[in-house]
Amino acid sequence: GQQVMQIPQYQHVQEGEDFTTYCNSSTTLSNIQWYKQRPGGHPVFLIQLVKSGEVKKQKRLTFQFGEAKKNSSLHITATQTTDVGTYFCADRSNDYKLSFGAGTTVTVRA
Amino acid sequence: KAGVTQTPRYLIKTRGQQVTLSCSPISGHRSVSWYQQTPGQGLQFLFEYFSETQRNKGNFPGRFSGRQFSNSRSEMNVSTLELGDSALYLCASSLISGLMNTEAFFGQGTRLTVV
Repeated sequence: GQQVMQIPQYQHVQEGEDFTTYCNSSTTLSNIQWYKQRPGGHPVFLIQLVKSGEVKKQKRLTFQFGEAKKNSSLHITATQTTDVGTYFCADRSNDYKLSFGAGTTVTVRA
Repeated sequence: KAGVTQTPRYLIKTRGQQVTLSCSPISGHRSVSWYQQTPGQGLQFLFEYFSETQRNKGNFPGRFSGRQFSNSRSEMNVSTLELGDSALYLCASSLISGLMNTEAFFGQGTRLTVV
């Protein structure tokens, strides 16, 4: 499977601030999916991006797929305590599996 | 609609023993995948099953095996347990097989501790 690199590994955010997590691949991605895992929980699907340059929004979350389909980003505006957790990007390769990035663990200072 | 159900939730085993974990997918989902999650290695793919056939396998030793039944329920087995097998084992089901663009629904996982 393809390797997806995710940065930063940790993100400490002041409540109300914005932050971005990035996902990069050395090869073209088939499609990219984003998941969120709350502490003690399991990954939950957030979004899927398929098209080059695609941008999708979910309230305060903005997901972007690069033009070359080699990178993706998740931008959260006005961070809230409910945003705490680990955000994973994942490539659904051609061979029926998800290849996850290492994740960005987000903590929020009130 | 019930989600993905994994049993047991927690398990403590001794080195050298074997363990079987169970996963019941969402009704109608025929693709079941297994992942191992550890702090050091993150989420690692173990294998994927569809219609009782293993279609893909990750880079794990042969001690890790699995199977899927005709009702799409799946089990994974780890034999000769090692301390390093301590992890959260997650099962995920997907609605449509053969297509890349399918979201995965994860169960709550089985927390395995090997002592």
